[in-house]
Amino acid sequence: EIVLTQSPGTLSLSPGESATLSCRASQTVSSSFLAWYQHKPGQAPRLLIYGASSRATGVPDRFTGSGSGSGTDFTLTISRLEPEDFAVYYCQQFGTSRYIFGRGTKLEI
Amino acid sequence: QVQLVESGGGLVKPGGSLRLSCAASGFSLSDHYMGWVRQAPGKGLEWVSSLSSTTNYPNYADSVKGRFTIFRDNAKNSLYLEMNSLRPEDSAVYYCARDKREKNHIYYMDVWGKGTTVTVSS
Repeated sequence: EIVLTQSPGTLSLSPGESATLSCRASQTVSSSFLAWYQHKPGQAPRLLIYGASSRATGVPDRFTGSGSGSGTDFTLTISRLEPEDFAVYYCQQFGTSRYIFGRGTKLEI
Repeated sequence: QVQLVESGGGLVKPGGSLRLSCAASGFSLSDHYMGWVRQAPGKGLEWVSSLSSTTNYPNYADSVKGRFTIFRDNAKNSLYLEMNSLRPEDSAVYYCARDKREKNHIYYMDVWGKGTTVTVSS
């Protein structure tokens, strides 16, 4: 079974800085099935990126997903951090009729 | 406005049962795959189950297979999760989500509810 490893576990940055979040798959996966979500306490998870690099509706262009074709390494980059960006971020992969989530990266101020 | 609202969570004893509901508005639930995702206290997101829009064929995580049943009522535009033989480790916030599966094989969950809390404890 595919395992998604997210790093770092926690990332401490300041508003205005840039964040780079990593998602590594234990085996080659299709970028078509790779998505990123933002989750804040008490709120619904929010889709940010799908197909590894396509932004969801309403997501600012400060959020960029990379990784294409088939591979094991995917990245979410958030530039010019805003106070509302501090949250937990999950990558997700679809495989063998099920979804798999990474353990998340907590982005903290 | 596209929206999902979950209900039905609560406190239940180990071995007990609970049915969660998810009411959809702003879109027809029957046109989409739908799913459930949960988050246990202090843990990350865990996919629980998804239901096909065309065949009504369900898929389940190994952790709930044989105990949980996902189904929909198109007339009520609602999705359900019937949970039996509940265990303390099933305690979590349960989210309903629209499971988007595009024809070019791009899959993701694009609409989420705010969740309903299930606590399994004696």
